[in-house]
Amino acid sequence: EAEVAQSPRYKITEKSQAVAFWCDPISGHATLYWYRQILGQGPELLVQFQDESVVDDSQLPKDRFSAERLKGVDSTLKIQPAELGDSAMYLCASSAQQGYQPQHFGDGTRLSIL
Amino acid sequence: AQKITQTQPGMFVQEKEAVTLDCTYDTSDPSYGLFWYKQPSSGEMIFLIYQGSYDQQNATEGRYSLNFQKARKSANLVISASQLGDSAMYFCAMSFDYKLSFGAGTTVTVRA
Repeated sequence: EAEVAQSPRYKITEKSQAVAFWCDPISGHATLYWYRQILGQGPELLVQFQDESVVDDSQLPKDRFSAERLKGVDSTLKIQPAELGDSAMYLCASSAQQGYQPQHFGDGTRLSIL
Repeated sequence: AQKITQTQPGMFVQEKEAVTLDCTYDTSDPSYGLFWYKQPSSGEMIFLIYQGSYDQQNATEGRYSLNFQKARKSANLVISASQLGDSAMYFCAMSFDYKLSFGAGTTVTVRA
């Protein structure tokens, strides 16, 4: 089982609904990442936190996606309203520092939009 | 923009044999890091090995080794003595400016 905790593992919802994902990184890891992985492709970064601050959210569709890490520990990624094209695996990762430290990933959340 | 290319969408390898997964990258910056991750069907991305752009020696971690050819901008992963549990998707990734960019991945299937 991954050291980075994510929930839920699977989520099925209808378009236009709201959906939320939760991530608890490895204890002490200051940097937290959310990725989206479309089937058959590599993960793409959505947002990166350093402690509680957003470092990079340039690829986050801000009209419908939001992310927070209020106390610099766990994090929530929300989609509202969900669209059919949001169906993907959502991966959370953490690292001790930014830069060349290996990122450690959770098991991911498989999202299906009906 | 940084780019990672993995040209092999899928590979078959016989159990106990070695397999080489290709990865090329494109960057003009002298400082970067290269990573390989394994993703089984369960979905978790598992860190395998890391190579820094200034490292003089090729990285090794158990049965994994990285064939780093800086001038050719390639960072191929070699898995020795393949096991059935090695069947998975393998991703090459490059870290630059605090971001990790992934290639499209290579699916490895180990045959008994």
